[in-house]
Amino acid sequence: KAGVTQTPRYLIKTRGQQVTLSCSPISGHRSVSWYQQTPGQGLQFLFEYFSETQRNKGNFPGRFSGRQFSNSRSEMNVSTLELGDSALYLCASSLILEETQYFGPGTRLLVL
Amino acid sequence: GENVEQHPSTLSVQEGDSAVIKCTYSDSASNYFPWYKQELGKRPQLIIDIRSNVGEKKDQRIAVTLNKTAKHFSLHITETQPEDSAVYFCAARNQGGKLIFGQGTELSVKP
Repeated sequence: KAGVTQTPRYLIKTRGQQVTLSCSPISGHRSVSWYQQTPGQGLQFLFEYFSETQRNKGNFPGRFSGRQFSNSRSEMNVSTLELGDSALYLCASSLILEETQYFGPGTRLLVL
Repeated sequence: GENVEQHPSTLSVQEGDSAVIKCTYSDSASNYFPWYKQELGKRPQLIIDIRSNVGEKKDQRIAVTLNKTAKHFSLHITETQPEDSAVYFCAARNQGGKLIFGQGTELSVKP
């Protein structure tokens, strides 16, 4: 089976812009989680989706949002970008909730 | 609040030696504890995991132990090799279902 894929792999934006990142889970996986990885904060949980519903949310401002489609693909959106949003954004998929998560390669976002 | 502490933050060993990384979690209801290895520029890869009803699990040179009473779990790598060099993350799934990660340990195995 193909692994988790994420697009785009790299992105450069300026402050105030918005960005949408995409994640395609492993075929058959119905749960998708998103994480922000930075050198100082490690892996921080953003949110988790299952069957098109947000099941869990981390401690991030409302500028961070996401959604999941009927084919389990997921997108996350960050509005009004700030310099501090520069990070590697990882998604992970699992068969169902609370099962082993497999990570995608990430999208590296740089905000100038 | 929910927290996973991981130590040490960096670890340097000679090839062939053992390496041990320790994590402590705060939510006593946590029930699942995976370990991920992340090589430079690559995605985190699951290397081993353990559930709360098991005290120890082993897979070749890698083992994980869990002490629920003390709320800590450890990763043991024996006979380390240069290709074991990477950042290792522990995680704990809390009662709410969130996977909380430790800050990571950068392991360096010197030939």
